[in-house]
This record gives sequence, structure tokens and C-alpha cells, in this order.
Amino acid sequence: QSVLTQPPSASGTPGQRVTISCSGGRSNIGGNSVYWYQQLPGTAPRLLIYKNNQRPSGVPDRFSGSKSGTSASLAISGLRSEDEADYYCAAWDDSLNGGVFGGGTKLTVL
Amino acid sequence: QVQLVQSGAEVKKPGDSVKVSCKASGYTFTSQGISWVRQAPGQGLEWMGWISPYNGNRNYAQKFQGRVTMTTDTPTSTVYLEVRSLRSDDTAVYYCARVPYGSGSWFDPWGQGTLVTVSS
Repeated sequence: QSVLTQPPSASGTPGQRVTISCSGGRSNIGGNSVYWYQQLPGTAPRLLIYKNNQRPSGVPDRFSGSKSGTSASLAISGLRSEDEADYYCAAWDDSLNGGVFGGGTKLTVL
Repeated sequence: QVQLVQSGAEVKKPGDSVKVSCKASGYTFTSQGISWVRQAPGQGLEWMGWISPYNGNRNYAQKFQGRVTMTTDTPTSTVYLEVRSLRSDDTAVYYCARVPYGSGSWFDPWGQGTLVTVSS
């Protein structure tokens, strides 16, 4: 059971916009920044969004993040086949004094 | 460019210990922390802990306290993760990742991962 809650799966067709949600509590998302990671099959995770809504250089602007209260979301617009991957949200948890992850969302591009 | 290169795959028996290394390059080693995250086969990501190469401060996830030790070697810019009393459910890919001080879940970049298999 992960501390942060994500839907196990999401899907869309090429060109569509999809969103992935991440729900937590006051001790994690409610009081700290949210980060998103993309993990392509067989590879290490890669930072996609930092500090709720910032994109590292090299990440296309099709990817965007937002946060409200104790929830966050990742939006992917103009969906492409290469976006098919697992996506994880993460935050620091003040009660646990440690990092926590969502269970991951498997995105399928139909 | 910033890079973290990890040691190779390991096969261990239950009760053994394993030590995984993570060599950093492309930045000032002591300027940022290193976290360890593991991923069991077909499962999600699990944070194990963090170490500061600057002063050696550590913070382990409660689940791993007493069984895990993280250390650093500044001359070689290398961080080590030792896991003792291995069990079959410790079979996983272990990743190291750089973390800015004060930004506990900002992992960038990640090492390539080290597969540790625990089997009798």
C-alpha cells in the first residue's frame, strides 16, 4: 500500500490529452513539493516535473504538473507512442521523515 | 554531464549481505545528497534512505533501519549501500539518485540500477 495514491492505469490515443492524479495528505503533498518521474520499460526512472510544475531542460512542454491542497496531477497533451511508460509521483513526508511514492500509473497509448 | 554509475548485478543467498556502489561524476560530489530507491520485480518504487556526502548525515526509512548502511568515499566520489540479512523479498533493482540538500524527493539523475537477486 503506497502512501500516495495513483490510478494503476491510464490510456489515450495519439494526440489526446491525458491526466494522471496523485492523492496524498497534509504531511506529504499538503506541505511539500510534488515530483513526477517517467519510467520507460527496462530503464531507470527519469525526472519529468519538479517542484509541482517545473520542467527540467529537455522535457517537452507537452508535460505539465499541478498541485492543489493534498492532490497533484500530471497532464500529457498531444499524446505520442513514446509516452507509453510508467509514471510515478513522489513527495517528502514530514510524519515519516522520508520520501514517499505513488504506486505508479501505467500509461498505454492505444 | 552529471552521471551516476552503479556496480554490476549480484546473486546472493538468504542471510547474506550485499554492497552496491554508486560512482558520481560531472559535479561537485559533496554539493548534493544521494538517495537509494529500490524496485521489486513488477512493483513500484520504494525510498530506502539518504546520505549527505558533505558531512555523512544519514536518514534511513524506518523499514530498513538496522539492516541497511549507507556510506560515502569522497576521494573516489562513491556512495555505498550495504543491505544485511538478505531475504527473498529483497530481490529488486536498487537505484541511487542525486538529491539537492533540502529537497528530499527531487531525484535527478538516477543511476542505471543494480539488480540484486536473493535465492537459495
